[in-house]
Amino acid sequence: GNSVTQMEGPVTLSEEAFLTINCTYTATGYPSLFWYVQYPGEGLQLLLKATKADDKGSNKGFEATYRKETTSFHLEKGSVQVSDSAVYFCALRLAGAQKLVFGQGTRLTINP
Amino acid sequence: EPEVTQTPSHQVTQMGQEVILRCVPISNHLYFYWYRQILGQKVEFLVSFYNNEISEKSEIFDDQFSVERPDGSNFTLKIRSTKLEDSAMYFCASRPEGLIGNTIYFGEGSWLTVV
Repeated sequence: GNSVTQMEGPVTLSEEAFLTINCTYTATGYPSLFWYVQYPGEGLQLLLKATKADDKGSNKGFEATYRKETTSFHLEKGSVQVSDSAVYFCALRLAGAQKLVFGQGTRLTINP
Repeated sequence: EPEVTQTPSHQVTQMGQEVILRCVPISNHLYFYWYRQILGQKVEFLVSFYNNEISEKSEIFDDQFSVERPDGSNFTLKIRSTKLEDSAMYFCASRPEGLIGNTIYFGEGSWLTVV
């Protein structure tokens, strides 16, 4: 079946640290890949996406590259801020499919 | 920027009561969804709706659930007889017509507590 596995959380870092949140997927077809972010008390917001192999999605200093050979879409940021504290969800959607399949989410806390 | 809006933001209901969660999707979107997130767990797909009918549903979406688009703007989720295990955050979402990669936009969620 189709599934997404994310790095176990919670993750706690100091401000300006380098961030990586791992995400790997299993899919029967060719998915589009997404990172969504959920800030405290808010809904899910799209952070970035990639629709085909080797695409790089980027937004707000975050990046993720669609790696077909390793079936991965790891989220990275070079220098995190306190305001990046949130829960991050990796997700996939197969071409022609309706639904998003989410990973379990990774809670990130950035300390000043 | 257009957004998906949901009401209520939080509802507490007695077990066995009916609940209706309301959503106003983004106006030019054609696909509508409900997802839920039980506290501490994954976001789970419930149902998708297109062209005035359910296009896909998960095994969670059993006979106690129904969806409706009663007019041109609202999209509702009804839970007929709530159970304790229905306590969750319910997210409405929508996306425009299109193929690969079209973004699904989520509302801020309706937190349902069944007591």
